[in-house]
Order: sequence, then structure tokens, then C-alpha cells
Amino acid sequence: GEDVEQSLFLSVREGDSSVINCTYTDSSSTYLYWYKQEPGAGLQLLTYIFSNMDMKQDQRLTVLLNKKDKHLSLRIADTQTGDSAIYFCAEVTPSMDSSYKLIFGSGTRLLVRP
Amino acid sequence: DSGVTQTPKHLITATGQRVTLRCSPRSGDLSVYWYQQSLDQGLQFLIQYYNGEERAKGNILERFSAQQFPDLHSELNLSSLELGDSALYFCASSEAARGANVLTFGAGSRLTVL
Repeated sequence: GEDVEQSLFLSVREGDSSVINCTYTDSSSTYLYWYKQEPGAGLQLLTYIFSNMDMKQDQRLTVLLNKKDKHLSLRIADTQTGDSAIYFCAEVTPSMDSSYKLIFGSGTRLLVRP
Repeated sequence: DSGVTQTPKHLITATGQRVTLRCSPRSGDLSVYWYQQSLDQGLQFLIQYYNGEERAKGNILERFSAQQFPDLHSELNLSSLELGDSALYFCASSEAARGANVLTFGAGSRLTVL
């Protein structure tokens, strides 16, 4: 089945690192994504990782994938107040009819305290 | 501006009514996706179209329908509206129907059913 789970809330101090975690259930997932949603806006792609990779780094963002445990994490270094938003983990899963669906987690609200 | 245009931005209507939400995908994108975001259900995948044809179906109610037109814009029709249909409806587009499937989201249409 398809299920993506995230913790609901994370609060960090400005300048610290943030780590947002996600678990998924579908072992056939091919790509895993992190999206950011700021208040009143749509979802913005931050980064994605292919399922045969363990890690991907992009400036302040580091994505770690543990395929055995079906665990994905997003680390934001030197977190800034502008990073306050909801972060969604998502997976692409192939369906029986060969179509692909992007399934989102419930989102983690990150609050950065000055 | 993500390049995905959704109208209207806000819509208030009454129970039992019917509304149509419109989406113009990013230039060059052939796939359109509809998602519903509510407080209690999170971000739910509704339906996907690729080049005019339905490609994947999610948790879309029978009261809801969608289509993608030859010019690739899409409409989501919601009928016999209930209070619980109040939500933010997002449209997203991508180049392809599968693969890396990077989705670009619109800013959403906020529907309030009174």
C-alpha cells in the first residue's frame, strides 16, 4: 500500500540545523521528493532523490535515503527564519495500470525561532 | 510565478452547488494533476491527465470530475457540494506522465462551502 508519514511539527533556533524525517511503505518507489509550502502558496520542489542513491546534497540541503528502512530525511543547515514553512515528503509509486502517482506525506511544519 | 495558473483563487459557495476550477499548465507540460489539501486529510491526489487522457486516479469522489482539453488546460468540476469539500485545490503540471515526474504547482484555488 501507499503511505507516507511525517512528524507534524519541528521547532529549531535560527542558525541550527533542522532534520525533517519521513517514512514510506512502498518499496517500489522510484523517486522521493521534498516540497516546501509557504503560507498562502503552492508547493515548491526543493529537491528529489532517485531510489538507488543514498545521499544528495544541494547547498544547505542534504537528503539521506535509507532504502532498507524506507526512511528519508531532509537536513537544512544554518536554518533561517525564511525556512519556516511546511515541508512535504512525497514518493512516486507505479500503479497496476503502469501509471505513476505522487503520494504526499501529511507535511511537517517547521518553525524557526530567532 | 510557477507558470501554473489556477482560477479562481478564492470561491465561496453553498452546499448543493456546483463549481468549476480551472488550471493552465506550465508551457510545454503535458501532464496535469489535481490535489485536494484539507486540514484533516492532508494533500490528497485526485486525478492525473496526460495529453488529454486520464492516466491515474486517486481518491476522487464520484461527485467530482475532471478533463483536460486539447489546449492542455484542465478543469475540475465539483458538484453537489458538501461542507467537507471546503479545501484548497491544487493543480500541478509536469512534462511527462512518469519518470522523475517533477511537478510544478499552482498557487491553488481555495473553496469554501457554506
